[in-house]
Order: sequence, then structure tokens, then C-alpha cells
Amino acid sequence: KAGVTQTPRYLIKTRGQQVTLSCSPISGHRSVSWYQQTPGQGLQFLFEYFSETQRNKGNFPGRFSGRQFSNSRSEMNVSTLELGDSALYLCASSLETAAYGYTFGSGTRLTVV
Amino acid sequence: QKEVEQNSGPLSVPEGAIASLNCTYSDRGSQSFFWYRQYSGKSPELIMSIYSNGDKEDGRFTAQLNKASQYVSLLIRDSQPSDSATYLCAVQGNNDMRFGAGTRLTVKP
Repeated sequence: KAGVTQTPRYLIKTRGQQVTLSCSPISGHRSVSWYQQTPGQGLQFLFEYFSETQRNKGNFPGRFSGRQFSNSRSEMNVSTLELGDSALYLCASSLETAAYGYTFGSGTRLTVV
Repeated sequence: QKEVEQNSGPLSVPEGAIASLNCTYSDRGSQSFFWYRQYSGKSPELIMSIYSNGDKEDGRFTAQLNKASQYVSLLIRDSQPSDSATYLCAVQGNNDMRFGAGTRLTVKP
């Protein structure tokens, strides 16, 4: 079965712009979580969506937001981009809860210049 | 204090040896524990999950959990060069899954 699909794979944006990243989870998976990965901070939790509702949120500023659609696909948005937002953004899919472990997508590499 | 701590390494072992990776966590209420493997330039891949105290074996991999000591470990037996990667310890708390910084393992032929 198809894995977790993230688009686009690479993005270059300018400071102050906004960006939207997309994630399609494994078919049947209802929970989608987003992580930011950087060499200095490692994997940092952004938020989790389940059944179109944000179930948990990490310690990121309000510029980071997300949503989930009825087909479980999820998007995350970052507004007013800063240089420090340059990172690999990973989407993780799980059946109902992360307690069963995640399947990660390939990620979106965002570079802010 | 970081919530999930791992020895950052790098850890280098010869081919065929046992690689031992360690992780401690701070949230005593954590119930689910995982090891992910991440090859350079790739996304993390789940290799082991463990939920109760003791050992869990899967092929060459053994995960060990000691909740009283808040300690999780991963043993890789008969290490192969293809095991060279960063290993991430992850702990599921009430609200989210927290990851350690990872231990970089190199298996030398």
C-alpha cells in the first residue's frame, strides 16, 4: 500500500513569505503529526491532527498552523517566514494514535533565504 | 534537562559486533517507547516498539525497557555496515511523541 506522501519535496522561499506543505497519510490512518527537524534541535513536535481536529500542539509560535481534511490529508502553513524556519518538515501518519508508532513521509526540505 | 536523552556518539563498532544504544527519559507517565533508524538524507523508519518492562527481540534487534530507571536501550547483534545510521529513541507521553537527538552509529567492515 502507498506510504505517506509529502509535497513538495523541496521549497525555497524568501523571508516574510508564507508556505503551505501537504501530507497524505497511509490509507486508513486518521492521525497525522508534523515535526520540524534541524541539525541543532533534532525532531521537534509541531502538532497532531485526528479526525479534522487538532489534538495536540507543540511549542511553536502561532505562525505555524495546520489543518486536516475529511479524507485525513493534512496541510501545514508557516506565515511570515524567518531564516530559522529552514528545516526538514516531516509528516508522520498513524492509525489512531502515535502509541502504535509512526510512519514518516519523505519530508519537505524548506530553505528560507 | 532534555526530556529524552541519548548518547550523541558517534558510536563505531566493527562488523559482527554488538552495538548498544541507550536512552533515558524524564516523563514517568510515558507508556510507549520506540526506536527509529534514520539513514542520511532519509526520513526516520520505525524499527522497534516496546511497551512493558523487559526485553523484546526482533531478528538482530533487541529493545530493553526499565520503567523504574526510565531507561530504554537497543542492542544490534551481528552489526552490518548497512546498520550505519542515526538511531532515534522516541517516547510517547500524554500529548505527543518526544524524540532524542539520536546516536550516530558507524559499522566498520
